[in-house]
Amino acid sequence: DAKTTQPPSMDCAEGRAANLPCNHSTISGNEYVYWYRQIHSQGPQYIIHGLKNNETNEMASLIITEDRKSSTLILPHATLRDTAVYYCIVRYGKLTFGQGTILTVHP
Amino acid sequence: DAGVIQSPRHEVTEMGQEVTLRCKPISGHNSLFWYRQTMMRGLELLIYFNNNVPIDDSGMPEDRFSAKMPNASFSTLKIQPSEPRDSAVYFCASSSDFTGMKNTGELFFGEGSRLTVL
Repeated sequence: DAKTTQPPSMDCAEGRAANLPCNHSTISGNEYVYWYRQIHSQGPQYIIHGLKNNETNEMASLIITEDRKSSTLILPHATLRDTAVYYCIVRYGKLTFGQGTILTVHP
Repeated sequence: DAGVIQSPRHEVTEMGQEVTLRCKPISGHNSLFWYRQTMMRGLELLIYFNNNVPIDDSGMPEDRFSAKMPNASFSTLKIQPSEPRDSAVYFCASSSDFTGMKNTGELFFGEGSRLTVL
């Protein structure tokens, strides 16, 4: 699996959009980009995934650059409950979690 | 659906004792994963099964660790003998058709088993 690079931590004000970046410059053509999050002491939770096109679901949007070397997860209206560790993973086989980004949403 | 069920939620044991962690995947899911999480190493994949067969056990730390999946609805992770460095949260996850072309890659995680080895 290709390696990913994420900032260790980010802050966001409640109600604002949270934009979490991820670099995956060594991604290969058949590897998907996945985002998971882990709220304190719980198991990781799937958010969204994509291959080439931008994706949106009820939780978030995923923007993948045209060269696929980076992506951004967007939480359009962050709430306090979105405070968590966010993992960006590229996968063609097993899911390998990195260190992730600690997102803190503050009032 | 009840989700992935793990037991016990918490286990405290002494060094040298045998530890058995249990997992019941979501009904209908045919892939099962065991992960370990520590502050130092983060989330590590230990082993995963597809259709009850171990596919990749390269993450299993050493011979003290063993995992079985005797049927589609049950898996165990055993540590014998346990050591203090095995203290961690162990997560089980399941997925449907993980290796299939239509698989979304979505894993459903249990709430974890927190193991403390004294």
